[in-house]
Amino acid sequence: NAGVTQTPKFQVLKTGQSMTLQCAQDMNHEYMSWYRQDPGMGLRLIHYSVGAGITDQGEVPNGYNVSRSTTEDFPLRLLSAAPSQTSVYFCATRAGTGYNEQFFGPGTRLTVL
Amino acid sequence: GDSVTQMEGPVTLSEEAFLTINCTYTATGYPSLFWYVQYPGEGLQLLLKATKADDKGSNKGFEATYRKETTSFHLEKGSVQVSDSAVYFCALSAGSARQLTFGSGTQLTVLP
Repeated sequence: NAGVTQTPKFQVLKTGQSMTLQCAQDMNHEYMSWYRQDPGMGLRLIHYSVGAGITDQGEVPNGYNVSRSTTEDFPLRLLSAAPSQTSVYFCATRAGTGYNEQFFGPGTRLTVL
Repeated sequence: GDSVTQMEGPVTLSEEAFLTINCTYTATGYPSLFWYVQYPGEGLQLLLKATKADDKGSNKGFEATYRKETTSFHLEKGSVQVSDSAVYFCALSAGSARQLTFGSGTQLTVLP
C-alpha cells in the first residue's frame, strides 16, 4: 500500500517548456488536490477534483491544467513553464464527503530557469 | 474568504522547553481545524485535528483546543524534543469541497 506517490521528485525546466507532474493514489479516495508551497506563504491550492471526470480551480490555477480520467491518477500539467512556477508541488487525497483528513505525497521540487 | 494567520518564525527552543505556536482563523460557517507537520525533505503529515468548538486535538504530546470565541487553535507542547524540529502548519477546512486553507508555517528548531 504505497499511499500517495508523486513523480518526479526533482525537475529542472527552461522557460517555455511543458511538463506533467504525476500523482497516483491506491487508497480509493474520491478527492485529490494539487498544492504549491512557497517560502513564507504556506501551501496554496492549485486545482482539485471531487471524483473521476470532475475538476475545479483553486486559489492559484493560472498556468496549470488538470484532468481526472481515473480515480487513481491526477496529473498536473504546466503548459509553458515560467520562473514564477518554481516551487514545491504536493498532491493530496481525501476519502470523500464527511472525511476531513488529507494525505499528502512526498512532493516534487520544480525549478524553472 | 477563509484565512489562517500563524505565528511567524523561526522559533528556536532548548530541549524540554514549553512550546506555543499561535494560530487564528477567519472562516464562514463552522470549519474543521488542523495542525500539520513537515519534517525536512518530506510531505505534510497530520499532527492533530478538531472538528467543533471546544474540541481538543492531541497527538505525540502536542495539544490544541478549538476556541470559537477567539477564533484560535494554538498548538502547545509541554516539553519539546530535538526530534520535534520541523515546520508546523495550521490549517482549516470549510465549504462544500472541504479544501484546506493553510497558514504560512512556523519553523521550529529544538537545540539539545
